[in-house]
Amino acid sequence: EAGVAQSPRYKIIEKRQSVAFWCNPISGHATLYWYQQILGQGPKLLIQFQNNGVVDDSQLPKDRFSAERLKGVDSTLKIQPAKLEDSAVYLCASSLDPGGVNEQFFGPGTRLTVL
Amino acid sequence: SQKIEQNSEALNIQEGKTATLTCNYTNYSPAYLQWYRQDPGRGPVFLLLIRENEKEKRKERLKVTFDTTLKQSLFHITASQPADSATYLCALGDKIIFGKGTRLHILP
Repeated sequence: EAGVAQSPRYKIIEKRQSVAFWCNPISGHATLYWYQQILGQGPKLLIQFQNNGVVDDSQLPKDRFSAERLKGVDSTLKIQPAKLEDSAVYLCASSLDPGGVNEQFFGPGTRLTVL
Repeated sequence: SQKIEQNSEALNIQEGKTATLTCNYTNYSPAYLQWYRQDPGRGPVFLLLIRENEKEKRKERLKVTFDTTLKQSLFHITASQPADSATYLCALGDKIIFGKGTRLHILP
């Protein structure tokens, strides 16, 4: 079974530039999550999708971050414009059943450096 | 607001001994709690999930306990091996709040 795919793996941009990350979850997984993990911290949930609808985006900085999950499969996370404090690893995860209690499967992450 | 704390940033354990990691939380009553392992440069990997009505869960050399009165979970690795060296994260259930993690070093 293929795991969660993310691209790119690394990205370096200057502040005020825009960046986009892509995630392809495990086939058949209804729920998709985007996390931000700053060095030395645990992952912080940014947004949770169930199929193509948003379940929780309470911690997403909506003035600069946006995310979409078209057709309930792949997802993109965008930052526009980026700030220095956005430097972090952005993790995508998926889980099988939104109504139940399921483990999350994480992708390798995208390491973003904002200069 | 909900708060989750993992007892120490780093823990050194001699190979073959039992490693015990602690996760404490406040202002929340999660229906379940999960433990993940994270290696450098990789995403977290699920290890165990324990529900609020379960006292203990085991998987091979791993054991998790969940005390909803103390608001605490303990994660044990018995007969520890150098390959167990990693960062271990606890995560509170449906709110999906992760702790900072504990870096475990198993010394040969």
